[in-house]
Amino acid sequence: QTVVTQEPAFSVSPGGTVTLTCGLRSGSVSSSDYPTWFQQSPGQAPRTLIYNTNIRSSGVTDRFSGSILGNKAALTITGAQADDESNYYCGLYVGRGLWVFGGGTKVTVL
Amino acid sequence: QVQLVESGGGVVQPGRSLRLSCTASGFNFVNYDMHWVRQAPGKGLEWVAVIWYDGSDKFYADSVKGRFTISRDNSKNTLYLQMSSLRVEDTAVYYCVRGGYTSVRLGGAWGQGTLVTVSS
Repeated sequence: QTVVTQEPAFSVSPGGTVTLTCGLRSGSVSSSDYPTWFQQSPGQAPRTLIYNTNIRSSGVTDRFSGSILGNKAALTITGAQADDESNYYCGLYVGRGLWVFGGGTKVTVL
Repeated sequence: QVQLVESGGGVVQPGRSLRLSCTASGFNFVNYDMHWVRQAPGKGLEWVAVIWYDGSDKFYADSVKGRFTISRDNSKNTLYLQMSSLRVEDTAVYYCVRGGYTSVRLGGAWGQGTLVTVSS
C-alpha cells in the first residue's frame, strides 16, 4: 500500500517563503510519479496549482512553484499572502490509473 | 468555460445504493479520462475511481472496489458513480475531476462536489 507523506502544518510570515514536501513512506518521489499539488480553502472545492511536478495550472500565480528536492516533491510559496492560508494536498500517480493523496498540510500565514 | 456539475447526493441508509452524476461542459468530454475523488467531513482527499476517455478501462481504490462502479455516457457528456452496499465510512463530499487528454493528469478541472451521507 502506497503511503504519501506531508507535513501536517506550517506557519509562514506575510511576505515570507515556505516549502512544503510530498514524500513516499517507502521510496523516492520522481517526476515519473506526476506530482500534483492542490489548494483547498475552507468550504471550497480543491483547485489544482501544479501538475507534472512543476507546471502551473492556468491562472495560478508564479508565487507558487513545484520541484523535486532530494527524494521528495516540493511546493514553494514565495511572498506569502493572507489568502494563501489553506490546506495543500499533493497527489502522486501510482500506475494503472490510480492516484494517492497525501494527508495535506495546513498553512497558516501570520 | 470548463464546468463540472455533480448531482445525486443525499442521505441514504447503510447497505443501500445511490447514483451520482456529473455533467460536463466547456470542453470535449469524449477526449478526457475522468475521476471521482471524495472527502470525508474534516478529512483529506481520497481518490476513488477513474474511467478512460472511451470507457475502455476503469480502476478503483481498494476501499470501494466491488461496491462502486464508474461509468460514462459520452453522448450526454455525463460521468456516473453507482454506489452500492454503502457504509457509514462512505460519507463524504464526492468530486468529479477531469483527468488527462492522452496524458497522465489529475485535476484539470474540479466540480463543486455533492454530499453523500450514509446514516441510519
